[in-house]
Amino acid sequence: NAGVTQTPKFQVLKTGQSMTLQCAQDMNHNSMYWYRQDPGMGLRLIYYSASEGTTDKGEVPNGYNVSRLNKREFSLRLESAAPSQTSVYFCANRPLSDASTDTQYFGPGTRLTVL
Amino acid sequence: AQSVAQPEDQVNVAEGNPLTVKCTYSVSGNPYLFWYVQYPNRGLQFLLKYITGDNLVKGSYGFEAEFNKSQTSFHLKKPSALVSDSALYFCAVRSTISSGSARQLTFGSGTQLTVLP
Repeated sequence: NAGVTQTPKFQVLKTGQSMTLQCAQDMNHNSMYWYRQDPGMGLRLIYYSASEGTTDKGEVPNGYNVSRLNKREFSLRLESAAPSQTSVYFCANRPLSDASTDTQYFGPGTRLTVL
Repeated sequence: AQSVAQPEDQVNVAEGNPLTVKCTYSVSGNPYLFWYVQYPNRGLQFLLKYITGDNLVKGSYGFEAEFNKSQTSFHLKKPSALVSDSALYFCAVRSTISSGSARQLTFGSGTQLTVLP
């Protein structure tokens, strides 16, 4: 039982390049989230998906797109990477049974550098 | 809008001494409050949460937190710190009012706890 997995673990991009960060879960949880973590700023929500087939913007969605094609997977795409998107990206999920309180379970993160 | 403040970027404590990591919050309505811990190069791990009821919440690894509504605080505590407790700690809040962005967790900026041997 791997929980929440993220690939890749590390990535270096040049400005303008595109890439997709992958997140998969084997916990059968309904809601999934993408956060970015920057020094001194905590975690900020980029996008979330309450259930398969639905997505909503979070606090900092600009420059990102997401896709929730099935219950297991929630991907984050950078169409044209910018240095301001250098960050550590975390995927998380939350079970339906905990919907009222938002206890979330996090993946190990993807460290992205944009040159 | 909801917010969380962790006023200390860094807390140092000697092993065996009690530790406190501070958190204050602002939210419309009543809060759900959380503490998460992050070890180096790892994702966040859930420690404990306050939903309702007893103001003293006990969580994993001997940690506890006290909810104080009048002071809008939710400080994390442990009676006797271990070197292995050294990590980055995040406080988070969401409102019990389920409406739009207020349904999502808002995290503090984090406090680096270092326990010295």
